[in-house]
Amino acid sequence: GNSVTQMEGPVTLSEEAFLTINCTYTATGYPSLFWYVQYPGEGLQLLLKATKADDKGSNKGFEATYRKETTSFHLEKGSVQVSDSAVYFCALKSFGNEKLTFGTGTRLTIIP
Amino acid sequence: NAGVMQNPRHLVRRRGQEARLRCSPMKGHSHVYWYRQLPEEGLKFMVYLQKENIIDESGMPKERFSAEFPKEGPSILRIQQVVRGDSAAYFCASSPPVGGADTQYFGPGTRLTVL
Repeated sequence: GNSVTQMEGPVTLSEEAFLTINCTYTATGYPSLFWYVQYPGEGLQLLLKATKADDKGSNKGFEATYRKETTSFHLEKGSVQVSDSAVYFCALKSFGNEKLTFGTGTRLTIIP
Repeated sequence: NAGVMQNPRHLVRRRGQEARLRCSPMKGHSHVYWYRQLPEEGLKFMVYLQKENIIDESGMPKERFSAEFPKEGPSILRIQQVVRGDSAAYFCASSPPVGGADTQYFGPGTRLTVL
C-alpha cells in the first residue's frame, strides 16, 4: 500500500536559516505529491504540489521537487521566518484514488 | 467565501456516549472527506462521500462509526458508544466536483476527548 515517511521532528531553526524537511514515499504507479501546512489552531492548507516526475512545486518561498528515482519530495526554503512556525505534512495521492496518504508531520519552530 | 466549517471545535464525551461531528463544505463543493489524527500520528483517511453517497469507506472502523452527507445540510460523522481510543482530532475536507484531491480544502478540525 501507499505510505509516506517524514523527517522526525521537532525542528528548531534560527530566523533566516536554510530549511530542509525530508519526505520519501512508497506508492504504486506515479502518485501526485503534496506539502500541507498547519498553523496553530487551524486546519491544513495546501502549500505546494507536484503531479509528475521532475516537477517542482513552489509557494511562499518554499520549494519541493518530485524525484522519482529516489522516491522523494523534500521541502526546502532558503531563509525561514518566525511566521513559518507550523506543522508540515507530506502527502500523496494515487491516480484514480481520491484519498490522501499523509506522513506523521514535522513541527517547525523558528526563533528570532 | 467561507472555508470548510466544522463544529464543534472541541467535544468532550464520556465512555459509552455518542459523538456527532459536523462538517459544512465550502460553497459549491459536493465532495467531502473525513480524516482522523491520533496523538503524535499523521492524518488517516476514513471516508469519502458525495451528496447522498458513500464512495469510499475503506478507512472507517467496522463498528460504531458511520458517516453521511445528505442532500441538504452538513456531513455528519457519528461515533456510537465512544471509547478512550476514539480521542483524536477529526478533520473534514471538501473539494469541488472536478479536480479531485488536488483541491481538497480542510476545516479546522474537531478535537474529541473521551473521558
